[in-house]
Amino acid sequence: EAEVAQSPRYKITEKSQAVAFWCDPISGHATLYWYRQILGQGPELLVQFQDESVVDDSQLPKDRFSAERLKGVDSTLKIQPAELGDSAMYLCASSHFRPGASGVQSSYNEQFFGPGTRLTVL
Amino acid sequence: RKEVEQDPGPFNVPEGATVAFNCTYSNSASQSFFWYRQDCRKEPKLLMSVYSSGNEDGRFTAQLNRASQYISLLIRDSKLSDSATYLCVVKWSGNQGGKLIFGQGTELSVKP
Repeated sequence: EAEVAQSPRYKITEKSQAVAFWCDPISGHATLYWYRQILGQGPELLVQFQDESVVDDSQLPKDRFSAERLKGVDSTLKIQPAELGDSAMYLCASSHFRPGASGVQSSYNEQFFGPGTRLTVL
Repeated sequence: RKEVEQDPGPFNVPEGATVAFNCTYSNSASQSFFWYRQDCRKEPKLLMSVYSSGNEDGRFTAQLNRASQYISLLIRDSKLSDSATYLCVVKWSGNQGGKLIFGQGTELSVKP
């Protein structure tokens, strides 16, 4: 069964350092999502890509966070500089979803999550 | 007010018990509704979608009341393996990419 891949699984860094996370979605999935999950809370969307284009980055702290999906396949999320409050699980998800697609079952748009990268900022 | 609110946990129940989780959402334009399950230190996985007519999947029953903006999940005959955090999730309409809004989760611990 195809899965979303993420690396690294764990990252420990000191504040003010730069960190980067990588995500490889399920092959053929057009939409890719990055979520952040703080301990004890539900995931919160940071950025959403449709192919290589950003369609929603309203919750991305753009002063320190950046994301790209240059070829519309895998994606990188970067934090520079990291702060103590950035400690969280960073989850990547992908789905077949395409805007305007009709006649497809809702299951076609299911988001599949990767195992996440657990970031600890010291 | 949070966009999706769930019962605060944790719920500690014995095996075989019936347990119900409640969830409310604030955006009346919400389009789709789900329950996800998340095991400790793992990624969320879709448990079931929630339909207005109510739906059942084995021991799990989900209900939606659009008028009250209320979602529920009922687990019957709970098993040790049901121990996890259950996330109530709403998808907003009119969003290009199907943005999911998660509740904070309700932790369930099933004891022998």
